Amino acid sequence: DAGVIQSPRHEVTEMGQEVTLRCKPISGHNSLFWYRQTMMRGLELLIYFNNNVPIDDSGMPEDRFSAKMPNASFSTLKIQPSEPRDSAVYFCASSSGRDNQPQHFGDGTRLSIL
Amino acid sequence: GEDVEQSLFLSVREGDSSVINCTYTDSSSTYLYWYKQEPGAGLQLLTYIFSNMDMKQDQRLTVLLNKKDKHLSLRIADTQTGDSAIYFCAESSPGANNLFFGTGTRLTVIP
Repeated sequence: DAGVIQSPRHEVTEMGQEVTLRCKPISGHNSLFWYRQTMMRGLELLIYFNNNVPIDDSGMPEDRFSAKMPNASFSTLKIQPSEPRDSAVYFCASSSGRDNQPQHFGDGTRLSIL
Repeated sequence: GEDVEQSLFLSVREGDSSVINCTYTDSSSTYLYWYKQEPGAGLQLLTYIFSNMDMKQDQRLTVLLNKKDKHLSLRIADTQTGDSAIYFCAESSPGANNLFFGTGTRLTVIP
């Protein structure tokens, strides 16, 4: 069974550029989560969706970050313009959406902003 | 808000047992989870326990839950070098879809 698929696995770009991270959740899962992981702050929840609708975006650091889920099988996290402090590993996770069901994580996108 | 705490580091010798501890503050927690993260990879679900259970065993893994003290532990028997990773504790509340993660414990297994 295919797990959560993220692309790209690595992204290196210059500050000021737009960055788009992509995620395909596990088929049949109704909830999707975006996390950021850094050494300093650990694992942070940025935003999550239920049935393609954003439920809680309080973790999104600022207006430069935006996330969309146009359909049940695809989501994007966009940073525009990017800054060096955005460098981190970004994870996408999905779950069935039923109460307390575990989340399944992708392998992450390692983002470096120069 | 919810707070989940773990010690940052643990070192054990190969073949010994490892015990990774976690404390949480939300008394209404319903499920508690253990995830493993290997270098360069995402978080892999290891096991989880419902809050009305005291213990769950799965091969080399034993999860103990002390609900009164809000303390969760993961015991790995006969620890192997392949067990070296970061282990995250996480909890969820009733009706909640999101998880609250601890800082992770980096387990180093010494050959």
